[in-house]
Amino acid sequence: SQQGEEDPQALSIQEGENATMNCSYKTSINNLQWYRQNSGRGLVHLILIRSNEREKHSGRLRVTLDTSKKSSSLLITASRAADTASYFCATAAITGGGNKLTFGTGTQLKVEL
Amino acid sequence: DADVTQTPRNRITKTGKRIMLECSQTKGHDRMYWYRQDPGLGLRLIYYSFDVKDINKGEISDGYSVSRQAQAKFSLSLESAIPNQTALYFCATSDWPSYNEQFFGPGTRLTVL
Repeated sequence: SQQGEEDPQALSIQEGENATMNCSYKTSINNLQWYRQNSGRGLVHLILIRSNEREKHSGRLRVTLDTSKKSSSLLITASRAADTASYFCATAAITGGGNKLTFGTGTQLKVEL
Repeated sequence: DADVTQTPRNRITKTGKRIMLECSQTKGHDRMYWYRQDPGLGLRLIYYSFDVKDINKGEISDGYSVSRQAQAKFSLSLESAIPNQTALYFCATSDWPSYNEQFFGPGTRLTVL
């Protein structure tokens, strides 16, 4: 089963609006990462947040992490049509994970003009 | 030039055929991974390698094998392809420690008829 589960599965917004997507996971983690995938292409790393961090920013991206609830959110502010993509969270487990990432099922974001 | 390359980019084959997908990287990373992506299921780890002499099974290794020919090359083989192996396959690399960000190739779209 997937460690990370994104919510919602699909999201459609207008250009200029903010997009929020959420990720829940099950085990203790070293860090949580967000990736973007344009249709049929390879994933691109967006941001990494460590287990001892609560919030991180990168440009128009804001990521929060709540380890007590085992959840994270990715906020994209002032969205653009070019942000249309699938977004995946990935978790690095502390133990038993063989130091590898486990990916969620993704949120499909569509930003309309 | 791309840091992580995959060949072929597209392949159509028939049930029972042996297929090899190849991955090369110029990032100098020790760690390499093979994933498959199916609609609605996110990425699932097939095999991973932390160096030339270290090969590990992932979540869904049955029906697949790998070869790490050099630090820069990691190949995935389907010994006898079957239709439910139709998927998008990605190679990825990462630096130590392996729960750092991963860098993905462009993917190979494999269709097994």
